[in-house]
Amino acid sequence: QVQLQESGPGLVKPSETLSLTCSVSGGSLSTFFWSWLRQAPGRGLEWIAYISSSGSTNYNPSLRSRVNISVAPSKNQFSLRLTSVTAADTAVYYCARVGVVGVRGPYDFWGQGAMVTVSS
Amino acid sequence: EVVMTQSPATLSVSPGDRATLSCRASQSVNTNLAWYQQKPGQAPRLLIYGASTRATGVPSRFSGSGSGTDFTLTISSLQSEDFAVYCCQQYNNWYTFGQGTKLEIK
Repeated sequence: QVQLQESGPGLVKPSETLSLTCSVSGGSLSTFFWSWLRQAPGRGLEWIAYISSSGSTNYNPSLRSRVNISVAPSKNQFSLRLTSVTAADTAVYYCARVGVVGVRGPYDFWGQGAMVTVSS
Repeated sequence: EVVMTQSPATLSVSPGDRATLSCRASQSVNTNLAWYQQKPGQAPRLLIYGASTRATGVPSRFSGSGSGTDFTLTISSLQSEDFAVYCCQQYNNWYTFGQGTKLEIK
């Protein structure tokens, strides 16, 4: 059974950079695409970015200028960096796996979520 | 961006009854549509993908239908553990989600 676990600071100051890592166990990063998503309080889910084990990426156009996603296959991890954060970036951040070969598929495995608050 | 609109926002149903939830896309997503169940403090759980295929381990009381822009999730006989928030997601053109329908006990 594939398991994902997010890690990183729960509090980030405005204008600084949010950094999170997703550790994957029970399976390899290869073959699949891996995503970051978030859910602001009382809001729906928002896709942020995806990456493959070979480093192929794509980003939500609304966040593209501030987001970077990277992968470390040897560690079975992938990471998110979001720069110049504001209170609007306060959310639960999830990592998840696209459950098919390729990008066009649902998310079948999810991390438990990491609450990140942007506040001074 | 494909906008996903779910209705109703809240649905009150008695245990044992049927629940019908709707999801509409602002443009055709073919059958590239998934449904998730989300309980407080938990990650979403995949229920349905391809508009009508149940994910592994999902009980047969959950069924999905539709194609193009209009989709339905039906729960045939509600159990206590089914009261949660349900959201739809399209993955035809990047990924966007509906705002969710809260299924509450009547």
